[in-house]
Amino acid sequence: GIQVEQSPPDLILQEGANSTLRCNFSDSVNNLQWFHQNPWGQLINLFYIPSGTKQNGRLSATTVATERYSLLYISSSQTTDSGVYFCAVEMNTGGFKTIFGAGTRLFVKA
Amino acid sequence: KAGVTQTPRYLIKTRGQQVTLSCSPISGHRSVSWYQQTPGQGLQFLFEYFSETQRNKGNFPGRFSGRQFSNSRSEMNVSTLELGDSALYLCASSLNLPSYEQYFGPGTRLTVT
Repeated sequence: GIQVEQSPPDLILQEGANSTLRCNFSDSVNNLQWFHQNPWGQLINLFYIPSGTKQNGRLSATTVATERYSLLYISSSQTTDSGVYFCAVEMNTGGFKTIFGAGTRLFVKA
Repeated sequence: KAGVTQTPRYLIKTRGQQVTLSCSPISGHRSVSWYQQTPGQGLQFLFEYFSETQRNKGNFPGRFSGRQFSNSRSEMNVSTLELGDSALYLCASSLNLPSYEQYFGPGTRLTVT
């Protein structure tokens, strides 16, 4: 079945640093979303990005569907960026199913 | 516009009992999906409902079931609870099918003792 791999699994940054999180998927997908899960478990939508590039403040994302990967860029990181970042892809295998990667756990130090 | 709501937020049950969790989607959204999150297995898809019909189901035993009502609200039920069912259960709604952006509720944290 389709696999979604995220890297790195863990990341520690100094406040103000930049980072790139990667999501690789093993098959063609219908869409892709990036989420940030806060310490209380809430999944917060960051980007809905089946292809192309989007930016929202200090965050931006790029999905290259033909090469089966997506990147999430965090610039000038802040302590509030800490948490787990997930990418989720939707595939159609006789029905639509969303598969999550294992996540990247980010800790930003003050 | 109000977000996705889930009730209850926390629940403690005993092995062998059953539990029902509720999810109210964003107004106007017609699709509701359920996910289980555990430290060991991560986020796993349970099932998806659209217009009161289950459209897809993940790889979970028959003890896990759900339904959707005409107002798009959804419930999931777990019967004969096992310790391994302890998890955060997340519900997501989307406007339509397929391939629309999903919005998640705050989750229900279930502990089975």
